[in-house]
Amino acid sequence: AQKVTQAQTEISVVEKEDVTLDCVYETRDTTYYLFWYKQPPSGELVFLIRRNSFDEQNEISGRYSWNFQKSTSSFNFTITASQVVDSAVYFCALSDLNYGQNFVFGPGTRLSVLP
Amino acid sequence: DADVTQTPRNRITKTGKRIMLECSQTKGHDRMYWYRQDPGLGLRLIYYSFDVKDINKGEISDGYSVSRQAQAKFSLSLESAIPNQTALYFCATSDLTGGIGNEQFFGPGTRLTVL
Repeated sequence: AQKVTQAQTEISVVEKEDVTLDCVYETRDTTYYLFWYKQPPSGELVFLIRRNSFDEQNEISGRYSWNFQKSTSSFNFTITASQVVDSAVYFCALSDLNYGQNFVFGPGTRLSVLP
Repeated sequence: DADVTQTPRNRITKTGKRIMLECSQTKGHDRMYWYRQDPGLGLRLIYYSFDVKDINKGEISDGYSVSRQAQAKFSLSLESAIPNQTALYFCATSDLTGGIGNEQFFGPGTRLTVL
């Protein structure tokens, strides 16, 4: 069955610290996609990144980076030099063919960046 | 104007009342979804529709029904609301082309409280 685990329920860091949010997934499919979304305090869901199962290259976008490792079924998200504006709930999601092409979301990690 | 809109944004109702949440999109997407978000559980899929004539149950459809009135409109109904349906409800859309790799675009959410 498809499943996404985000073991860290809440994380607090002080501004400028680096922080990594963990995401572990389960799927029997060989073709799948992984996503990260951000939900700031205002409540909307903001798409951050998509990665397909055939592309294991890490990705960097400004202060954000993502580490995809199929060997450990993980797709971790690192924020470098965190800022207060990074405070949000972050969701990892999985999409594969077995679940009707729908998303399975993890429970989310609430990140608080303190000034 | 927002691409995916939801009405109402907030609603307080009483147990046993019928409630309809509406979603409209201007993105021209065929696929539409309804999720509910509960603290610590992430987003869970209630219903989804891949086109006007296609309606499918998601993970937690009991107590809910939907109507796809047009490509751009997808409504969620609670026939007889109960307190454990208190949650934040999101509508989302995605494009048909590209299959499982497409990101979903979310509306701003409807906060529903059932007393």
